[in-house]
Amino acid sequence: QSVLTQPPSASGTPGQRVTISCSGSSSNIGSNYVYWYQQLPGTAPKLLIYRNNQRPSGVPDRFSGSKSGTSASLAISGLRSEDEADYYCAAWDDSLSGSVVFGGGTKLTVL
Amino acid sequence: QVQLVQSGAEVKKPGASVKVSCKASGYTFTSYGISWVRQAPGQGLEWMGWISAYNGNTNYAQKLQGRVTMTTDTSTSTAYMELRSLRSDDTAVYYCARVKELGDWFDPWGQGTLVTVSS
Repeated sequence: QSVLTQPPSASGTPGQRVTISCSGSSSNIGSNYVYWYQQLPGTAPKLLIYRNNQRPSGVPDRFSGSKSGTSASLAISGLRSEDEADYYCAAWDDSLSGSVVFGGGTKLTVL
Repeated sequence: QVQLVQSGAEVKKPGASVKVSCKASGYTFTSYGISWVRQAPGQGLEWMGWISAYNGNTNYAQKLQGRVTMTTDTSTSTAYMELRSLRSDDTAVYYCARVKELGDWFDPWGQGTLVTVSS
């Protein structure tokens, strides 16, 4: 059971816009930054979004992040076949001695 | 370019220990920390802990307290993660990732090390 809640799957056709949600609580998303990672099949995760909505250099502006209260979302516009991957949200959690918590991951299928 | 290169796959018996290395290059090792994340087969990501390469401070996931030790060797820019008393549910791909401060983002990640625990 992951601390952050993501839908297990999402899908879209090429060119479409899809969003992936990530729900948490006051101890994690509500009070800390949200990060998003993309994991292509058989590879290590890669940073996609940091500090809620910042894109590292090299990440296309088709990817965008947002946060409101205890929820966050990742939007992918102009969907492409190479976007088919698992997407994970993450945040620091202040409870107990603190830890990084992840969502369970969302498998994005490009139809 | 910034790169983290991990040691190769391991097969261990239940009760044994494993030590995975993560060699950093392309940046000042002591200016960042290293986090470890694992991924069981077909499962999601699980944070294991963090170590500062500057002063060796650590923060471990509560679930692994007492079984995990993270260290660094600044002379070789290498981080290590040792997990003891291995169980079958420790079978996973173990990743290291660079992180500026505890709670910051992970970038980049190592290629991963598969640890298989089987009798």
